[in-house]
Amino acid sequence: DQQVKQNSPSLSVQEGRISILNCDYTNSMFDYFLWYKKYPAEGPTFLISISSIKDKNEDGRFTVFLNKSAKHLSLHIVPSQPGDSAVYFCAASEGYSSASKIIFGSGTRLSIRP
Amino acid sequence: DAGVTQSPTHLIKTRGQQVTLRCSPKSGHDTVSWYQQALGQGPQFIFQYYEEEERQRGNFPDRFSGHQFPNYSSELNVNALLLGDSALYLCASSLARGLDYGYTFGSGTRLTVV
Repeated sequence: DQQVKQNSPSLSVQEGRISILNCDYTNSMFDYFLWYKKYPAEGPTFLISISSIKDKNEDGRFTVFLNKSAKHLSLHIVPSQPGDSAVYFCAASEGYSSASKIIFGSGTRLSIRP
Repeated sequence: DAGVTQSPTHLIKTRGQQVTLRCSPKSGHDTVSWYQQALGQGPQFIFQYYEEEERQRGNFPDRFSGHQFPNYSSELNVNALLLGDSALYLCASSLARGLDYGYTFGSGTRLTVV
């Protein structure tokens, strides 16, 4: 059973435009959500997170939106840059401590075209 | 400041054999989590070690076992290898006081079972 779902395996966006990556979850006990970015031959790197008490968190070009009633979150990247081309994983956990296991989605491959 | 180090980077084993993968956490981190990432999938949680004990476990058979040493480094052991165990194995370290910046991942060990 996939508790975290990324239904778009790939996304292509023109440089300078907005990239929107979507994620759905089924476990209502999740209260902390994260986005990771992965380049080939490297491990995932933390990008941005949001707790369930918020509906938006912004960090530079990256903004994560959380809609708890819909069990949906999205990552907005604006403006998109060539270095943003990577696989993006949505992830979630129950609780905020490092004791909480992080559950990952299957990823969305983002390609930024010139 | 060294990040998470995993060894070896690549490994080829024969079905039925046993394998040991190693992980050195980021300096200052005391918790190690192991993930399996099959091709085209997101990382799947195997287990987590803290204070030399397995603290949490995902849905993996007992063929998967681990260990954490007093210096916080960790090993993942897989017995009786199956073809389906072929995957990228990721180690992630964290500090047992919060998920503010998520886990720090290593680049992984690519295991191929033939």
